[in-house]
Amino acid sequence: AQTVTQSQPEMSVQEAETVTLSCTYDTSESDYYLFWYKQPPSRQMILVIRQEAYKQQNATENRFSVNFQKAAKSFSLKISDSQLGDAAMYFCAYRTSGDDMRFGAGTRLTVKP
Amino acid sequence: EAGVVQSPRYKIIEKKQPVAFWCNPISGHNTLYWYLQNLGQGPELLIRYENEEAVDDSQLPKDRFSAERLKGVDSTLKIQPAELGDSAVYLCASSRNSIADTQYFGPGTRLTVL
Repeated sequence: AQTVTQSQPEMSVQEAETVTLSCTYDTSESDYYLFWYKQPPSRQMILVIRQEAYKQQNATENRFSVNFQKAAKSFSLKISDSQLGDAAMYFCAYRTSGDDMRFGAGTRLTVKP
Repeated sequence: EAGVVQSPRYKIIEKKQPVAFWCNPISGHNTLYWYLQNLGQGPELLIRYENEEAVDDSQLPKDRFSAERLKGVDSTLKIQPAELGDSAVYLCASSRNSIADTQYFGPGTRLTVL
């Protein structure tokens, strides 16, 4: 069974600094998708970034980028120039085409002013 | 474009009472998902619909939970009777189809069972 592990229950970062959230996953598939979702206190899950496993280039969305290491089954999220609005729960997720999405337990990110 | 709509946002009921949650997906999205999210955990899939057909309901506790998606658009998730352990957030999500990778989530319904 595919599992997603986020080993950091909580992380803290100073405003304007950079923070990296870790995620590892277990799969025997070669074709799959990886995601980072943000869930602020308002509860709405918002897609931050996505990565197709067949792409070697790491995905980037403005201040958010990933470090995708397929062989190591690692998918970390880097947030640059952290802002107060980045404070939220961050969930790493995995799915294969036509299969269910699997979520990690989440990392709570605190941004200090 | 409107996002996924859910109602109510909050619901408080006594145990053994019935409760229903409603979800309207993004227009044109054929696949609809219901997730359960316990406090401090990631969402877990309850049921997935392809149009009006439930194609994956293996995690739905069928003795008390039921769902429907008439006409393949909006959907209702029902619990009857509710138990204390059902207190959680119920999230609805949609995607263009089951092959599409990205799911878009609604704001969720927080259920408290007293």
